[in-house]
Amino acid sequence: KNQVEQSPQSLIILEGKNCTLQCNYTVSPFSNLRWYKQDTGRGPVSLTIMTFSENTKSNGRYTATLDADTKQSSLHITASQLSDSASYICVVSARSEYGNKLVFGAGTILRVKS
Amino acid sequence: EAQVTQNPRYLITVTGKKLTVTCSQNMNHEYMSWYRQDPGLGLRQIYYSMNVEVTDKGDVPEGYKVSRKEKRNFPLILESPSPNQTSLYFCASSPGDSPYEQYFGPGTRLTVT
Repeated sequence: KNQVEQSPQSLIILEGKNCTLQCNYTVSPFSNLRWYKQDTGRGPVSLTIMTFSENTKSNGRYTATLDADTKQSSLHITASQLSDSASYICVVSARSEYGNKLVFGAGTILRVKS
Repeated sequence: EAQVTQNPRYLITVTGKKLTVTCSQNMNHEYMSWYRQDPGLGLRQIYYSMNVEVTDKGDVPEGYKVSRKEKRNFPLILESPSPNQTSLYFCASSPGDSPYEQYFGPGTRLTVT
């Protein structure tokens, strides 16, 4: 069964600190992996999209890694800011004869405190 | 401004009263999709559309209908809403199937009593 598991479920860190969020998946056949940021009450916004051949991708203070062999991804946030407080969602795309199927993780809720 | 719009943003209704949530995008995207988001479950796909007049079921289509008569619009129809359809709904669009970035609307919070 295609699944995406994220950890931790929630995380509280101090402003200025770094943190790393984890995503493990069993989706097959793999097409690509995305990280989204979702502010409370708003729609998700894309941070990165990585295909099979990419193992690192950055977007400002956000750096995503992908290990397609172990089926793991991480999202590293550097020098956190209060505005980083949000839910971070890992989404894996599986190829099928009908097109690509997106499988969503439940998300990690990050709270950055001053 | 490139965007996905949804209306209404908030809706409280009663069981069995038909309703429609509209979704419109101004980016000429071919792919559109509806999701519902419930606490602890993440986003689950209800229906998607690869292009005009082409729609297909997602993971949780029961109790919902959609139509895609024009490229820009993708309404979600609840013929007879029930309390278990109380949720936060998101519409999304992208230029194609994958690996294109999906653009999400602001969400519609629906309560069915």
